[in-house]
Amino acid sequence: DVKVTQSSRYLVKRTGEKVFLECVQDMDHENMFWYRQDPGLGLRLIYFSYDVKMKEKGDIPEGYSVSREKKERFSLILESASTNQTSMYLCASRTRNQPQHFGDGTRLSIL
Amino acid sequence: AQSVTQPDIHITVSEGASLELRCNYSYGATPYLFWYVQSPGQGLQLLLKYFSGDTLVQGIKGFEAEFKRSQSSFNLRKPSVHWSDAAEYFCAVGAVSGNTPLVFGKGTRLSVIA
Repeated sequence: DVKVTQSSRYLVKRTGEKVFLECVQDMDHENMFWYRQDPGLGLRLIYFSYDVKMKEKGDIPEGYSVSREKKERFSLILESASTNQTSMYLCASRTRNQPQHFGDGTRLSIL
Repeated sequence: AQSVTQPDIHITVSEGASLELRCNYSYGATPYLFWYVQSPGQGLQLLLKYFSGDTLVQGIKGFEAEFKRSQSSFNLRKPSVHWSDAAEYFCAVGAVSGNTPLVFGKGTRLSVIA
């Protein structure tokens, strides 16, 4: 089975901090994704990557950046955290023509 | 533009009753279609997928879905709901080829009452 591991289930940070959310997959998938999930808004795509060192903006990239130095790892960075970035963050990976596999999510609170 | 519509935000059914969750999509190319389930505080788990062939697909936990191209629909069904099915359900669509992200609906929350 594909395993997508997000480094933290719960995280509390302060406004203005630089925040790193880490995601690792063990199936050599080319594609990795970061979503945020908010009540009533569903899943919104922040960034995705289809190869090492490649990245593409999703629907809501503002205030975020990403890093993919190795194929198995995809990091989401909040450059200067703000309270409106309090959310559930979901990482997913996928290989061509297959479903996306999700991690368990990180519930991030910005105080 | 690609989109997925789940018309029902919240559905409540009695345990043992049948269930149908609706999903309509708009997609320019031949679609792959998926249903995911999310239990509270968890990530999304794949229930079933449609790529091609038989338009009635079986998934895990006794769920099935039917692809109707003429109606651009991919509705999820279960003949008899269990209390453990209470969760949020997401329909998604993707391209047959390529690496583009799936497009998700906003989800339908299912509550099950005794």
